[in-house]
Amino acid sequence: QQKVQQSPESLIVPEGGMASLNCTSSDRNVDYFWWYRQHSGKSPKMLMSIFSNGEKEEGRFTVHLNKASLHTSLHIRDSQPSDSALYLCAASMTGGYKVVFGSGTRLLVSP
Amino acid sequence: DAGVTQTPRHEVAEKGQTIILKCEPVSGHNDLFWYRQTKIQGLELLSYFRSKSLMEDGGAFKDRFKAEMLNSSFSTLKIQPTEPKDSAVYLCASRADWGGAYEQYFGPGTRLTVL
Repeated sequence: QQKVQQSPESLIVPEGGMASLNCTSSDRNVDYFWWYRQHSGKSPKMLMSIFSNGEKEEGRFTVHLNKASLHTSLHIRDSQPSDSALYLCAASMTGGYKVVFGSGTRLLVSP
Repeated sequence: DAGVTQTPRHEVAEKGQTIILKCEPVSGHNDLFWYRQTKIQGLELLSYFRSKSLMEDGGAFKDRFKAEMLNSSFSTLKIQPTEPKDSAVYLCASRADWGGAYEQYFGPGTRLTVL
C-alpha cells in the first residue's frame, strides 16, 4: 500500500528563519506531489504543487522534487508566525484517483 | 464562485445514534471525497465519487459508514450507529476531474463528538 512519509513530525523555527520540511513516497508510480497547509481549526488548503524534477518558487515558498528518489521538500524562508500550521504532503498518480496524504509536519514559528 | 460547503459545522451525538453529514462540492466538479481526520490517524479516505458514482467505499469503514451522492451538487455521509471512536473531523473535498493532476478543494469540515 502506498505510503507518504513526512519528517520531521514537528518543527520550531524563529521568526525570520528558514523552515525545511521533507516528504517521500513509497510508490514508484507517483506523478504528482502536493503541499497543503492547515491552520488550527481550519481545513487543508493547497499551498504548492510540483510535477516535474527541479524547483518551483512562489514568494517565500520553494518546493523541490527529485523523482528518482520520490522525495519532495518544502522550504519557507523568512518564516512568519502566520506560517504556524500543519503541513500535509500528498501524492497522486496520472492513472489513479487516490490522493495519499502523509501524517504532516507541525510547524511553529516563534516570535 | 462558492467553495465546498459542509453542514453542520459541529455535531454532538449519543452513542448508537444515526447522524447525517452534508456536503456541497464546488460547482462543476466531477470528483467528491469524504475523509476523516484525527490527530492519531491523520486523513483517512472514507468514500470517493466520480460523476456521482461511488468508486471507493473505504474498506474498513463500510459497515457503519454510508456515503451517497444524490445529484452532482449534493452528497451525504451517514454514520449508523455512532460510536465514541467516530469522534473526529469529517472533511469533504471536491476536484474538477479524475486524475492525479487536479487539486482538491476542502470544505470547512464537520466536527463530530460522540458521547
